[in-house]
Amino acid sequence: AQTVTQSQPEMSVQEAETVTLSCTYDTSESDYYLFWYKQPPSRQMILVIRQEAYKQQNATENRFSVNFQKAAKSFSLKISDSQLGDAAMYFCAYRRNTGNQFYFGTGTSLTVIP
Amino acid sequence: KAGVTQTPRYLIKTRGQQVTLSCSPISGHRSVSWYQQTPGQGLQFLFEYFSETQRNKGNFPGRFSGRQFSNSRSEMNVSTLELGDSALYLCASSLGTGPMGYTFGSGTRLTVV
Repeated sequence: AQTVTQSQPEMSVQEAETVTLSCTYDTSESDYYLFWYKQPPSRQMILVIRQEAYKQQNATENRFSVNFQKAAKSFSLKISDSQLGDAAMYFCAYRRNTGNQFYFGTGTSLTVIP
Repeated sequence: KAGVTQTPRYLIKTRGQQVTLSCSPISGHRSVSWYQQTPGQGLQFLFEYFSETQRNKGNFPGRFSGRQFSNSRSEMNVSTLELGDSALYLCASSLGTGPMGYTFGSGTRLTVV
C-alpha cells in the first residue's frame, strides 16, 4: 500500500525567509506523480506544485520548488521569500499514473511570522 | 470559470439520521472524487465517479454511497450517521481520469451530534 509521511506537524518561518517542508513516501510503483497541496482556512485544497516521477529535473513554480529524490523516496517543498499568504496546512500527496485516488500525508501547518 | 461547488457548506445532523452532500464539478469535467478529512485519520479517499460510473471505492462501510448524474454533478449519501462521521467532506473534479488536473471544492463540514 502507498503511504505518505510528513514528519513535521508544524513549522514556522519569518516573512521573506525560506522554509523546507519534508515528505517521504513508500511505493513499489515506478510510474507515479507527487503533489504539494495547500489548504488555507477557506478549506479548499489548492495545488502548489507537482512532480512526475519519470522526470529527473525538480519542478519549480515561482517561489516554490521541490527536491525530488526518487531513490530515497523523498519529496520536499521549499518556499522561498515566504509571504503571509503562504500560511496554511500543506499536504504532500501521491498518485499512481493508473490509479484512482490521491494518498495524502498528515499535513504540516505552516505559520509565517511577520 | 466557476470552480467546484459543494453544498451545503455546513451541516449539523443527529446520530441515526442520513445526509446527502452535493458536488457540482467545473463545467466540462466528467470525473468527481470524494474525500473525508478528519483530524485523526487525515484525508481518506471515499470514491471516484466518471461518466456516471463508480470507478473506485475506498475502505468505508456501506453506509457511505454516492452517485453521479448525467450532467456530472455528484452526490454522496451517508446513512445511519455516527459521531465519527463528523468531518470535512471534499470533492474534486477533473476532465478525465488521469492523475493531473484535479480541482478541489471548499468542502462540506458535517457535524454529527
